[in-house]
Amino acid sequence: DADVTQTPRNRITKTGKRIMLECSQTKGHDRMYWYRQDPGLGLRLIYYSFDVKDINKGEISDGYSVSRQAQAKFSLSLESAIPNQTALYFCATSDRNPGTGKYNEQFFGPGTRLTVL
Amino acid sequence: AQTVTQSQPEMSVQEAETVTLSCTYDTSESNYYLFWYKQPPSRQMILVIRQEAYKQQNATENRFSVNFQKAAKSFSLKISDSQLGDTAMYFCAFIYNSGNTPLVFGKGTRLSVIA
Repeated sequence: DADVTQTPRNRITKTGKRIMLECSQTKGHDRMYWYRQDPGLGLRLIYYSFDVKDINKGEISDGYSVSRQAQAKFSLSLESAIPNQTALYFCATSDRNPGTGKYNEQFFGPGTRLTVL
Repeated sequence: AQTVTQSQPEMSVQEAETVTLSCTYDTSESNYYLFWYKQPPSRQMILVIRQEAYKQQNATENRFSVNFQKAAKSFSLKISDSQLGDTAMYFCAFIYNSGNTPLVFGKGTRLSVIA
């Protein structure tokens, strides 16, 4: 089974609808992230959470909200979807490297392809 | 804030040949990590190689190696004996050693390996 799962994998919705993308992890990591990928723009950070009570805005948080329901779950919501939110969305996790005690590498889910019509 | 620049939006290479992908970054800090991630058509993000800034030795992973030039703030990826399965988007990424700021990604290089 995958360590980081995202649901749904693909979603088509209409302008103005509320959408929730869910991310779950079995890695036991305390840090979780939501990224958006657009062609030619790479991955841009939407929100990140260092633990259940610590939520931080990323580079492009406008129009999005998040909920960290538990250490293993981190959801991304689009309150009122608009066409320019059509993109590939990734969830990622990280944890302390046991050798260095530092956070570095991130582990990614399979992505959610969202289309807003 | 740190930035990561990949100046080659697209590249192609013949199968079995060697190709080098470029990445430069901007930071005033001295302790950080650099990564190359691969994204094949399956869209999964896969870590290819990691470099710790305090290590002078360039990282290698099988056919993948880096040329890390700390003073020049350059971190290129060399793929030797290119295979069709290497066709993918490649992203360079940076994180401070503290890990208290998230990864910063470049915009990616699309690599096509041609038979």
